[in-house]
Amino acid sequence: GAVVSQHPSWVICKSGTSVKIECRSLDFQATTMFWYRQFPKQSLMLMATSNEGSKATYEQGVEKDKFLINHASLTLSTLTVTSAHPEDSSFYICSARDLQEGRYQETQYFGPGTRLLVL
Amino acid sequence: AQSVTQLGSHVSVSEGALVLLRCNYSSSVPPYLFWYVQYPNQGLQLLLKYTSAATLVKGINGFEAEFKKSETSFHLTKPSAHMSDAAEYFCAVSGSLSGNTPLVFGKGTRLSVIA
Repeated sequence: GAVVSQHPSWVICKSGTSVKIECRSLDFQATTMFWYRQFPKQSLMLMATSNEGSKATYEQGVEKDKFLINHASLTLSTLTVTSAHPEDSSFYICSARDLQEGRYQETQYFGPGTRLLVL
Repeated sequence: AQSVTQLGSHVSVSEGALVLLRCNYSSSVPPYLFWYVQYPNQGLQLLLKYTSAATLVKGINGFEAEFKKSETSFHLTKPSAHMSDAAEYFCAVSGSLSGNTPLVFGKGTRLSVIA
């Protein structure tokens, strides 16, 4: 099946710094990628929809100036957590849909996740 | 709008016993339904999906799920639990027929398998 990678898998940073997380579709193209956030022992919550070549669409309550999303190519989306604070510590997961699967195929492929710890 | 309710945040079964993880959905349009498994510190892996082709869906690792419209359910089952099945399981729904839509997840059910 299709593979989605995320880098880094783990990151620890100081409060106030910015962290960039990459999401790549390794063997397929994706015009749309999704960014989710997962708190410990909780479900995934959609943060934003990343569209190649255009601005991301953010869910209600998600600060677009804090969570910057760039989808510069069909295989790469980045999430930058700006001025990170301890409450931003979480597990961030991206997903992507394979363009070649067809318009009505609803399979999303998930990355392995990035665990962010802000001290 | 779509939503998913997973009954039971934690299910514990003995090795070799039947696994039953419950999922009920709400959708204003015909739903696509999914079950994902998540192992500790890892991303999600698709177990199976319902896309209206057949109500009984077979997935990987011996899991299957049955779509019951009258009950708005999509419960996940496996006849015989294995130790390696211990993980977090998420039910998810998507209501769009055109793709490029995110999934709405349930809160998850942690499955423990006792030797």
